[in-house]
Amino acid sequence: DVKVTQSSRYLVKRTGEKVFLECVQDMDHENMFWYRQDPGLGLRLIYFSYDVKMKEKGDIPEGYSVSREKKERFSLILESASTNQTSMYLCASTTMGLTDFGDGTRLSIL
Amino acid sequence: EDKVVQSPLSLVVHEGDTVTLNCSYEVTNFRSLLWYKQEKKAPTFLFMLTSSGIEKKSGRLSSILDKKELFSILNITATQTGDSAVYLCAVPLPMDSNYRLIWGAGTKLIIKP
Repeated sequence: DVKVTQSSRYLVKRTGEKVFLECVQDMDHENMFWYRQDPGLGLRLIYFSYDVKMKEKGDIPEGYSVSREKKERFSLILESASTNQTSMYLCASTTMGLTDFGDGTRLSIL
Repeated sequence: EDKVVQSPLSLVVHEGDTVTLNCSYEVTNFRSLLWYKQEKKAPTFLFMLTSSGIEKKSGRLSSILDKKELFSILNITATQTGDSAVYLCAVPLPMDSNYRLIWGAGTKLIIKP
């Protein structure tokens, strides 16, 4: 079974802080994704990566950046956190169209 | 514009009822549709549908795809409180080798004892 692990389940940060969300998968998948999930809006793609050091913007990349230095690790960075970035963040890893998710990080920006 | 729309957005029923959740899509070069169940944590995979009219079944859950009318339904019979969850529908973007998905907003299902 693919295991996708996110470093924190809950995180509280302050406005203006730089925030790092970490995600690790153990199945050697090329494709990894970061989503945010908000009530009534479903999952929205922030960034994805199809290889080491490769990244592509998703639908809502503003205010975020990513890093993929190793195949198994995909990090999401909030450069200067704002209250509208309070959300559930889900990391995912994909092979052949089937997506496996981490447990999510519920991030609150105060 | 490619899109996936789920209905209803929320649903409250009593234990033992049967529910039907809907997912309609407008995606060029459609190939498959996925259903996921999300409780408090990560969404978990339920079904992948690729062929019209062929029912996929897992216990009390079943799903079918209609490629002519561009929708899928997810049925849950004899519902239990453990079926309470958000049910998500997604369609892979066609011709996208990175397997990006277009997601519906989800249906929040609450089963009352």
